[in-house]
Amino acid sequence: NAGVTQTPKFQVLKTGQSMTLQCAQDMNHEYMSWYRQDPGMGLRLIHYSVGAGITDQGEVPNGYNVSRSTTEDFPLRLLSAAPSQTSVYFCASMRGNEYNSPLHFGNGTRLTVT
Amino acid sequence: AQSVTQLGSHVSVSEGALVLLRCNYSSSVPPYLFWYVQYPNQGLQLLLKYTTGATLVKGINGFEAEFKKSETSFHLTKPSAHMSDAAEYFCAVSEWTGGFKTIFGAGTRLFVKA
Repeated sequence: NAGVTQTPKFQVLKTGQSMTLQCAQDMNHEYMSWYRQDPGMGLRLIHYSVGAGITDQGEVPNGYNVSRSTTEDFPLRLLSAAPSQTSVYFCASMRGNEYNSPLHFGNGTRLTVT
Repeated sequence: AQSVTQLGSHVSVSEGALVLLRCNYSSSVPPYLFWYVQYPNQGLQLLLKYTTGATLVKGINGFEAEFKKSETSFHLTKPSAHMSDAAEYFCAVSEWTGGFKTIFGAGTRLFVKA
């Protein structure tokens, strides 16, 4: 099982550039989400989706866009990168919408914005 | 909204010693609580999750967590630390407040000394 796959693993952007972080899962999970991880701050939720065609904002959505056209894919778009978006980004999926279902994480994308 | 507090950003123990990582959550009925572990350059993986009605929850790799509703705590323990336990540990709580979210604590990095 591939689980949750994120690409790329590393990325360096200049301020103002745009890019898309890819996330795909092969577990037929309805729920998918994006987090950013910064030292001392744990993981903060950016956006999430409870199914194809449905997305919603998390704690820190500004500067990021998402869409969910299929169950498998949940890309995260940075429209105009800023140094404050330097972080490690994790995509996670979950079976159903049950509160006690665990999240399944990808291995992350390390993004540096200069 | 829920919040999660992990006491101690770093914990250091000797190999063979007791591991205790502390987690307190803001009150909610019922709480949906989790512990995740993150090894270097990897995503998070589930260590254990709270099951309604249980006071002691067993997880993988010999870890367990005690749920104390009166103290709103969900501390993680392991009787005897192993070098391979060195990692970062995150306590998390799931909630539905205008959308389904999993909120993470800031994390505790565990160091194990030989």
